[in-house]
Amino acid sequence: QKEVEQNSGPLSVPEGAIASLNCTYSDRGSQSFFWYRQYSGKSPELIMSIYSNGDKEDGRFTAQLNKASQYVSLLIRDSQPSDSATYLCAVNNAGNNRKLIWGLGTSLAVNP
Amino acid sequence: NAGVTQTPKFQVLKTGQSMTLQCAQDMNHNSMYWYRQDPGMGLRLIYYSASEGTTDKGEVPNGYNVSRLNKREFSLRLESAAPSQTSVYFCASQGRATDTQYFGPGTRLTVL
Repeated sequence: QKEVEQNSGPLSVPEGAIASLNCTYSDRGSQSFFWYRQYSGKSPELIMSIYSNGDKEDGRFTAQLNKASQYVSLLIRDSQPSDSATYLCAVNNAGNNRKLIWGLGTSLAVNP
Repeated sequence: NAGVTQTPKFQVLKTGQSMTLQCAQDMNHNSMYWYRQDPGMGLRLIYYSASEGTTDKGEVPNGYNVSRLNKREFSLRLESAAPSQTSVYFCASQGRATDTQYFGPGTRLTVL
């Protein structure tokens, strides 16, 4: 059974702090990694994708990938109350690249 | 360019009633998906269509049928609704050259 694991939270950080979200995956063949944000009552929206080991930065967001440790993380710098949401980690299914394997999500609360 | 659209947004059914959820995408994507999302269960794949003319079961297909009407449209049918099918249903699409999935706004279904 291929799995993606995330700490369910809630993760609570003060406004302006760095929020760190973590994800581990079991499918060693996975090559594509995604972070989606989901506000309450809304659909998931892509915020970051990463394909190579190392860091990828986009504005206040940094995704980090370590394939050897099967670990992907998302850092949110200068956290804002508008970042309060559930963050879903997804990885591609190496046996079927038309499917993604989803984590259950981490709930983030940024307190003013 | 509307992306992925779903109808209806909300629906209440009685046990045993049938209904069809509609999904359309205007991004010329080959693959389309139906997920359900329940509290604590994350996103679970019901059915997907890797390309026009093909459909395959996901994790939780029982009680559902799908039709890939053309490249743009992918519908999900509940033939005899059960309270266990109360959920939020998301349609998503994915292009040929990418693993990224884009989601519609969702349908909130309640079965009484």
